Amino acid sequence: AQRVTQPEKLLSVFKGAPVELKCNYSYSGSPELFWYVQYSRQRLQLLLRHISRESIKGFTADLNKGETSFHLKKPFAQEEDSAMYYCALVNYGGATNKLIFGTGTLLAVQP
Amino acid sequence: KAGVTQTPRYLIKTRGQQVTLSCSPISGHRSVSWYQQTPGQGLQFLFEYFSETQRNKGNFPGRFSGRQFSNSRSEMNVSTLELGDSALYLCASSSPVGGAVAMNTEAFFGQGTRLTVV
Repeated sequence: AQRVTQPEKLLSVFKGAPVELKCNYSYSGSPELFWYVQYSRQRLQLLLRHISRESIKGFTADLNKGETSFHLKKPFAQEEDSAMYYCALVNYGGATNKLIFGTGTLLAVQP
Repeated sequence: KAGVTQTPRYLIKTRGQQVTLSCSPISGHRSVSWYQQTPGQGLQFLFEYFSETQRNKGNFPGRFSGRQFSNSRSEMNVSTLELGDSALYLCASSSPVGGAVAMNTEAFFGQGTRLTVV
């Protein structure tokens, strides 16, 4: 079954603390993994993708094929990081843009 | 460059009615996907259109349908509305070129249409 699992509905941390948002996936093909973010009253937008292997707003995510995980990390959380984060995958190289999303994790960064 | 535009932003309908939602993708994008977002189920894929053809469909009843026009604009229709259809419906456009998804694929989302069925 194709599935993306985000086990935490809510993650609350203090400003300056490290953050790790968990994402595990189950997929039979070759997936491309993404993190999307939705700030309050803004549209859903791409944060980063595993293929790019880049850091955006201090966030990084490494694809671990052995553990089928794609956890999102940031060493020092900022209040402006508070948002809803969705892990998603697409069939890499497939003729579709269908995204399979996890249920999302609400990150709340306390001052 | 204008983003993905969805209209209307808000809708209130009664049970049994039908509704049509519209999505204008980013200029040059030929793929349009629709998603239903609810607090309980999160984001669920409805269908995807590319060059006026539906090329993927999610697990939704036949009451949910869509189409895409030659200018890539897309509409989705829900007939015989049920209370459970209340949700935020998101449209996303992708990929300036057709065919296989590659590393330059990014889904750009609209702000959504909030549908409330009473």
